[in-house]
This record gives sequence, C-alpha cells and structure tokens, in this order.
Amino acid sequence: DIEMTHSPSSLSASVGDRVTIGCRASQGIGNSVAWYQQKPGKAPKLLVFATSTLESGVPSRFSGGGSGTNYTLTISRLQPEDFATYYCQQYYTPPLTFGQGTKVEIK
Amino acid sequence: QVQLQESGPGLVKPSETLSLMCTVSGVSLSNYYWAWIRQLPGKGLEWIGDGEDSGRGKYKASLRSRVSISVDKSKNQFSLRLTSVSAADSAIYYCARDQGTFIRGGHFDYWGQGILVTVSS
Repeated sequence: DIEMTHSPSSLSASVGDRVTIGCRASQGIGNSVAWYQQKPGKAPKLLVFATSTLESGVPSRFSGGGSGTNYTLTISRLQPEDFATYYCQQYYTPPLTFGQGTKVEIK
Repeated sequence: QVQLQESGPGLVKPSETLSLMCTVSGVSLSNYYWAWIRQLPGKGLEWIGDGEDSGRGKYKASLRSRVSISVDKSKNQFSLRLTSVSAADSAIYYCARDQGTFIRGGHFDYWGQGILVTVSS
C-alpha cells in the first residue's frame, strides 16, 4: 500500500498567515493526489484534486502543488473558517489511501 | 445538487453483519464509482472499497473477505455489507462518489454526512 505522511501533524497559526502543509508518498504517485478539509462532526470536503486543480467553489486562497512523492497544500491568507484538519489522499493505485492529517489550530 | 445520505443501524453485535445504505439524489448512479470510507474514532480516513452499477467492485485487501458493495441504480442507492464485525470495525462510515476509474480510483467529490456505527454486545 502507498503510505501518505503529513508534515507537520499539527500547527498553530494566526488569521492572515500563509500556511503550507506537506504530504509525502512512499512511492511516486504521478500527481494523483487530492486534499480535503474536515471540521469536527462533519464529512471531509474536497478542496484540490490532480495536485493543483481547485474544486468548484473552493476559495482561491487554497492552492496545491508538488510532484513525484512530495505534495503541498497552501493557504495564502488563513481565515477563521480555515481552522480544521486537512488530509491528503492518493489515487494513483488501489488501495486508495489517506494521510493521517494535519490539524490547523488558532495561535 | 448532488446529495448522499447514509442510513442503517448504529449498533451492531460482534460477529454479526453490518449493513448500510447510501441514498443518492441529484445524479444518476450510472457512469460513476461509489465508495465507502470509514473513520475510526479520533483517527484518519480508511477507504473500504468502491462499486458500480455493472456489479464490478474493488476493495481494500485486508477487508476483501468480509466486504461487498452493491449498487442499485433503479433505486439510486448503494450499499455496504461487512460481515463478522468486531470492535475494531466501530467507526463513522461515509459514502462518497469516486471520480476515478475502475483501475485507479479517484478523488471523492461528494460525501454523505456519515453514520456512527458501534460494534458492541
């Protein structure tokens, strides 16, 4: 199975900060990565797929990048509603796997 | 708009079968794969498997002997069946639409709200 490893596992940031979350795959995944945001008690929400394609309706302050085994999700100016847990997911090959998540907390 | 809604029992006894239904509105089940994903308490997300209306499915290897996913496009529903459950199967179960192919799978663009299932006697 392809393992997805987040870094960091959690971070504290302030409104307006630029935040970058990393995800490393245990093998190359050919840009087949998606990012989700999950708030407590809610289902995950798709933010980005195919490494850098923003899902419809997602604010442009979110962006994705990377290649090979290393991928990132960046929030350019953190907003109060962005405090949540973020997960990466690879769909290069089954089984589809998720990272363990990065929790973004208020500083 | 596309909506998914899980239903089923919230409590299942050990060794019994967990059966969940996902009702989909706003889109036909044809031409997509439909997934079940679970989240163990306080933990990350685990893909269980995908199914589609031709009957094809793919499952996580460690669950394959116990799981089946069926798609009924006439009712716009798909279901999960997990046999011989134990406490380790206690989780929030989500249904979702998979935008991928049979070979690769894809990202999940629509999710249900999730249903908490506890395995306990």
